[in-house]
Amino acid sequence: DTEVTQTPKHLVMGMTNKKSLKCEQHMGHRAMYWYKQKAKKPPELMFVYSYEKLSINESVPSRFSPECPNSSLLNLHLHALQPEDSALYLCASSPGQGYSYEQYFGPGTRLTVT
Amino acid sequence: GNSVTQMEGPVTLSEEAFLTINCTYTATGYPSLFWYVQYPGEGLQLLLKATKADDKGSNKGFEATYRKETTSFHLEKGSVQVSDSAVYFCAFSTLTNAGGTSYGKLTFGQGTILTVHP
Repeated sequence: DTEVTQTPKHLVMGMTNKKSLKCEQHMGHRAMYWYKQKAKKPPELMFVYSYEKLSINESVPSRFSPECPNSSLLNLHLHALQPEDSALYLCASSPGQGYSYEQYFGPGTRLTVT
Repeated sequence: GNSVTQMEGPVTLSEEAFLTINCTYTATGYPSLFWYVQYPGEGLQLLLKATKADDKGSNKGFEATYRKETTSFHLEKGSVQVSDSAVYFCAFSTLTNAGGTSYGKLTFGQGTILTVHP
């Protein structure tokens, strides 16, 4: 099973709203990632959690707040977003050290900020 | 720095045509190489991978061979179908140390849009 699940599939929110994206994997992977993808472009890395610790924050604005409650779950809390934040948000996971570091992606959440 | 250069699209083919999408990379160390596919409205799916020189990754009729001497990983399929219409991303992963732990950092190419007509 190489499945990463994400909810919701679609989200529309106003600039003053607070919402959260959820990601889950049950493959025992120890690294989890958030990416942002604009249309017809490759994914851009936002955050990396490795062994449940935040390892990388790629200079993402503070209106995006990640959380890793346990090794299977990853959340992305959203607050006071801007219209330019509208995009496909992808979660991914990968095995720990000693592997080829391939990442398995979820189906994404299509976010629209109005 | 690390980078991936992919053949620019869009690529338009008729069904049963032969497909090649070129990919070359610049990486420090010894990366693992991947092709990901993204169907309309979906996330990225790992299509195939190769972890060392001369390895051939294959899946669903697609193939790519890890050519270290030419730093290339070209994607091929002998006979494409309409259902292969998608965006294809070439990528590599290198071990990166950060925050006291290690993880595999993916570097992507720009993607190639493939459209197959009946």
